[in-house]
Amino acid sequence: AAGVIQSPRHLIKEKRETATLKCYPIPRHDTVYWYQQGPGQDPQFLISFYEKMQSDKGSIPDRFSAQQFSDYHSELNMSSLELGDSALYFCASSSPGLAYEQYFGPGTRLTVT
Amino acid sequence: ELKVEQNPLFLSMQEGKNYTIYCNYSTTSDRLYWYRQDPGKSLESLFVLLSNGAVKQEGRLMASLDTKARLSTLHITAAVHDLSATYFCAVDIGTSYDKVIFGPGTSLSVIP
Repeated sequence: AAGVIQSPRHLIKEKRETATLKCYPIPRHDTVYWYQQGPGQDPQFLISFYEKMQSDKGSIPDRFSAQQFSDYHSELNMSSLELGDSALYFCASSSPGLAYEQYFGPGTRLTVT
Repeated sequence: ELKVEQNPLFLSMQEGKNYTIYCNYSTTSDRLYWYRQDPGKSLESLFVLLSNGAVKQEGRLMASLDTKARLSTLHITAAVHDLSATYFCAVDIGTSYDKVIFGPGTSLSVIP
């Protein structure tokens, strides 16, 4: 069965650089979520999209922005990177037909040096 | 502000024993999730609990939800080493099931 795809899987950037993370949800899933997980921490909700519209926001820094495109893939854009942005970034998708159970992608490990 | 708490945060148990992980949350929600995460890996959905009194079981794990008490439990029966992982509960507070807040996680270690 198709799963959530994230790219890249690993990313190394320097401080003040920008990064773009991509997420391809499971086909026919209409909601996409982004999470940030620091070392030893629980996943922190960043933002969600429903049918290509921003649905809800969490603790997403102003330096970050996200969007969902017509093909339902989503991108998380991160600017002016800081050392504290180093984390695992997960994308998840869900569908009302599956009780909004979230299926997580493998994650992108971002390291800021 | 929503708070999701888990107890205990760390659990070391012997194989064959039973134990319960507790998840408390501070605001109304009728949707709670349990996830498993192995070190450095993604999150695996274990259970989706949708209503008061919901009980679900899969193998050695059983989850329940009491929305009035704002409490969910994850019960482990006859633990085996393969259950060693971090377990998160998460509460959905979005108006359209679009905002999920995680608890701090319970790190479970099952020892022979």
